[in-house]
Amino acid sequence: NAGVTQTPKFQVLKTGQSMTLQCAQDMNHNSMYWYRQDPGMGLRLIYYSASEGTTDKGEVPNGYNVSRLNKREFSLRLESAAPSQTSVYFCASTSSVQGGIYEQYFGPGTRLTVT
Amino acid sequence: GENVEQHPSTLSVQEGDSAVIKCTYSDSASNYFPWYKQELGKRPQLIIDIRSNVGEKKDQRIAVTLNKTAKHFSLHITETQPEDSAVYFCAANRDDKIIFGKGTRLHILP
Repeated sequence: NAGVTQTPKFQVLKTGQSMTLQCAQDMNHNSMYWYRQDPGMGLRLIYYSASEGTTDKGEVPNGYNVSRLNKREFSLRLESAAPSQTSVYFCASTSSVQGGIYEQYFGPGTRLTVT
Repeated sequence: GENVEQHPSTLSVQEGDSAVIKCTYSDSASNYFPWYKQELGKRPQLIIDIRSNVGEKKDQRIAVTLNKTAKHFSLHITETQPEDSAVYFCAANRDDKIIFGKGTRLHILP
């Protein structure tokens, strides 16, 4: 049981380049999330998918797009990378535990640098 | 929408002493309050959570209290040890999302 996996672990992009961050979970969770983590800012929600076939914006969606490919996989795409998108990106998934209460599991993170 | 405030941003305690981290939330509909620990270079991991139908929960040296009226919840770590050094995040749920505080960096001094 691998839990939540992410690829790649590290990436360096030039301004204007595009890339897709991949995330997969094998826990049969319905909900999946993408966060970015910057020093002193905590974890900020970019996009989430409450169930297969749905996606919604979080706190900081500008410059990103997402695809919920199936129940297991949720990808994050940067169409035209900017230095402000330099960050550590975490994918997470949740199981609902009685009455809509969530316990969240995180992937290992992707460290992205945009020059 | 939900706003989660966390204090302090940095906390230094002597090994063996207790540490307390406090959070407030704004959405009265929130009913799930997890705490995560993140060690340097690692992913956040759940250490304890509390639901709105209880006021306190304890797991060995870690306890969490919740005051729904005041919209406050706190993490208490007793008999701190060097391995408790990390960043701690509180969070609260809002609909299908979990909103995080900005984190507290806890230093355990020898």
